[in-house]
Amino acid sequence: GAGVSQSPSNKVTEKGKDVELRCDPISGHTALYWYRQRLGQGLEFLIYFQGNSAPDKSGLPSDRFSAERTGESVSTLTIQRTQQEDSAVYLCASSSASRTGELFFGEGSRLTVL
Amino acid sequence: GEDVEQSLFLSVREGDSSVINCTYTDSSSTYLYWYKQEPGAGLQLLTYIFSNMDMKQDQRLTVLLNKKDKHLSLRIADTQTGDSAIYFCAETPDSNYQLIWGAGTKLIIKP
Repeated sequence: GAGVSQSPSNKVTEKGKDVELRCDPISGHTALYWYRQRLGQGLEFLIYFQGNSAPDKSGLPSDRFSAERTGESVSTLTIQRTQQEDSAVYLCASSSASRTGELFFGEGSRLTVL
Repeated sequence: GEDVEQSLFLSVREGDSSVINCTYTDSSSTYLYWYKQEPGAGLQLLTYIFSNMDMKQDQRLTVLLNKKDKHLSLRIADTQTGDSAIYFCAETPDSNYQLIWGAGTKLIIKP
């Protein structure tokens, strides 16, 4: 597609369940980021993928959070045993190797944990 | 560590100019960015400036960079209701791919 696509756009889950969020970056973009945005807050970096290099996982808040990306394609962010404080919008962004600061964002996945 | 600071809110009257300010701490910044987030949407790149420039103009948008004071501003001329959004300032340190983000400034337009 032309832009970054994220799914689901909305997810409501019960505390303790696992959730999986998906991101389809722009074709040809080697870099992919996941951010978390709590209501009324700024962006919280979670994880960064660049090509086939080892990902930068320094922003993942706990071992309940994990993410994968195969090559330069789709990425999934998994949250295990969800907690109410995980409620937020999860934003994915991609960029090309030559213009690393020019991020293209998806619309986000809004997660609500009851 | 690196830090980017912004005021949380700015309120202006429709038709006036809006000036959104940002300060940063990393003197090795190469590029500085302004992103816009409309309600319920992801962020979109609005404009950027290279660190060796003082000013960049793009239609109603003017970016001013004072590298000595580490101060960046975004001026929106003739502010319209469609400019209502959160504006994020971000910078890339010289040796790092990571963007350092401000908390965002919510622009409120009064009729």
